[in-house]
Order: sequence, then C-alpha cells, then structure tokens
Amino acid sequence: GAVVSQHPSRVICKSGTSVKIECRSLDFQATTMFWYRQFPKKSLMLMATSNEGSKATYEQGVEKDKFLINHASLTLSTLTVTSAHPEDSSFYICSAGRDSYKETQYFGPGTRLLVL
Amino acid sequence: QKEVEQDPGPLSVPEGAIVSLNCTYSNSAFQYFMWYRQYSRKGPELLMYTYSSGNKEDGRFTAQVDKSSKYISLFIRDSQPSDSATYLCAMSADNQGGKLIFGQGTELSVKP
Repeated sequence: GAVVSQHPSRVICKSGTSVKIECRSLDFQATTMFWYRQFPKKSLMLMATSNEGSKATYEQGVEKDKFLINHASLTLSTLTVTSAHPEDSSFYICSAGRDSYKETQYFGPGTRLLVL
Repeated sequence: QKEVEQDPGPLSVPEGAIVSLNCTYSNSAFQYFMWYRQYSRKGPELLMYTYSSGNKEDGRFTAQVDKSSKYISLFIRDSQPSDSATYLCAMSADNQGGKLIFGQGTELSVKP
C-alpha cells in the first residue's frame, strides 16, 4: 500500500502563535508532496508543492511567509502556519506521489486547525 | 469557467441502486484521471486511476474516460450505506509535476 500520515490530527492554538504540521510517506519515497486546504463542504485548494531539497512552489494568492514549507527528506514535509489568525482555521491535508507514478497521489488523514 | 466541473449534489439513493457520478473538463491536455472518496473529516482515499481513455473496473466500481467528449464517470453498483461520502474527481496533465485539478466533489448519501 501507500500510506501517508499527518501529525497532529487536531490542534488548537492561540492567535499569534505558530503551528507546525508534519506529513510523512510511510512506505515509499516522495520527492514531491502537496499541501491543500479544505473548507467545509468545499473541494481541496492546492496551496503549494513541496520539493525535497529545494524551495516550495506556492499557488497564486498563498502567502509564502505565512505558510512555511520544508521538505527536508524523501519522506517528510512540514507546513508551519506562522502568526496564526482565526481565519487560518481550516482542514489542512497533504499528499504524496510515488516517484514513478507522480500522477497518483495518496493523501494523509488531514489536520484540523482551530485558531482562537 | 472552471477547468473541472462536477455537480456538488447532494445525491441521495436507496441501498442497492446504481450510482453515476460525472465530471466534465476543458483542458484537452489532461491524461490522468482519478476518483477519490472522502469521508467526513478524513483525507481523500484513492478509488480509481485511469490513464487516457477507456474503462476500468474494480469490484463494484467502474471508471470511464471519454477524452473526445472531455467527460469522465464513476459508476457504483449495488450501492451500500458505507458508500455515503463525498466523491471527488481529479485529473492532471504531463509536465505538471503531478499537480492535480479537482472537481468540487459530489456528496452521496445511500439510504438503507
């Protein structure tokens, strides 16, 4: 199988603090991982493409200084929401593709962030 | 016009019915087509993957791709209450680094 994990599954933080979310591919290597944001009853919105060993590529309208992405190894990418505000509250999901089948992505279980 | 259009539903069917879910798209460069199932508050789960045109069957699920019409479908036979979820179509093109374009998702409810 292809398993992707995320940690934490839920996090509550105070406004102004930073939150780090981890995404791991457990049984395969992934040079590319993707970070999405999903609002209730809405589809997934791609935020950025995380590339191992290089800078992430952000989608238009996504603040790179607010959503810091680090892809330090072939199995781990992290998303840090800096100086979080209530409007950052959302469901964040990562995905990873096997290197030989990049078009088939496997998703993590998601992280629910609530900023008070 | 969005690149991928999907009727958001909700769609409600009785148990045992055949369900038909559809997406249309505008980008003729799309070559890879996927269907994901997402339960509430969970990450999407890959159901079906098809490359280019044709049909693919896996148990109760059948995926069809008609590139000439820019239309893809997912059929669920003998639907079960456990099939109740949101179904998302997704597609991508070569040289896109694996970036997926998603439909809006169709919310399906299968009533016992």
